[in-house]
Amino acid sequence: AQSVTQLGSHVSVSEGALVLLRCNYSSSVPPYLFWYVQYPNQGLQLLLKYTTGATLVKGINGFEAEFKKSETSFHLTKPSAHMSDAAEYFCAVRGDYTGGFKTIFGAGTRLFVKA
Amino acid sequence: EPEVTQTPSHQVTQMGQEVILRCVPISNHLYFYWYRQILGQKVEFLVSFYNNEISEKSEIFDDQFSVERPDGSNFTLKIRSTKLEDSAMYFCASSTGQGGTNEQFFGPGTRLTVL
Repeated sequence: AQSVTQLGSHVSVSEGALVLLRCNYSSSVPPYLFWYVQYPNQGLQLLLKYTTGATLVKGINGFEAEFKKSETSFHLTKPSAHMSDAAEYFCAVRGDYTGGFKTIFGAGTRLFVKA
Repeated sequence: EPEVTQTPSHQVTQMGQEVILRCVPISNHLYFYWYRQILGQKVEFLVSFYNNEISEKSEIFDDQFSVERPDGSNFTLKIRSTKLEDSAMYFCASSTGQGGTNEQFFGPGTRLTVL
């Protein structure tokens, strides 16, 4: 069965600083990995996804993530934080036929951006 | 761009009452899902639905819950007798296919408050 662990329930950075949100996954089959962002009182917006191919994935709003199979990681980064990046970020893995096709979410990391 | 829509955006109900949450998936999608997010917690899978049948359901999805696709466009989640612990944000999602490469598109959510 697949699972996702997000390290750090809260991350605080200064505006302009590097954003690094950590995600590790567990999967017995090649994983399909996702990052979602949730702004206050809003729904889930897909930031980026990894399915196959290039391990460095670029998403919206300047975010990117790198799939590292050897580390079972899929950390989310952004070179320079903006105030508008303050939100909750969820790493997720899609199950396949072994675990159903549901999306399994991590617990989330709330990103705070200081002026 | 096509999107998943959900109504209502907020629903307040009394404990023991029945509620129906409505979703309109993207028109050419064939797979439908409901997820739940209790305040401050992670997003949890409830149920998936395909070809007018439940494909998979979680432990949360007990006999109090049911899903239906009453016509060609709507997908509903019914909670027969609401409990306080049903208070949560409920997200509908849809996808064209079942495999992990098929992105699940999420709706904006319905916030259910049970008093």
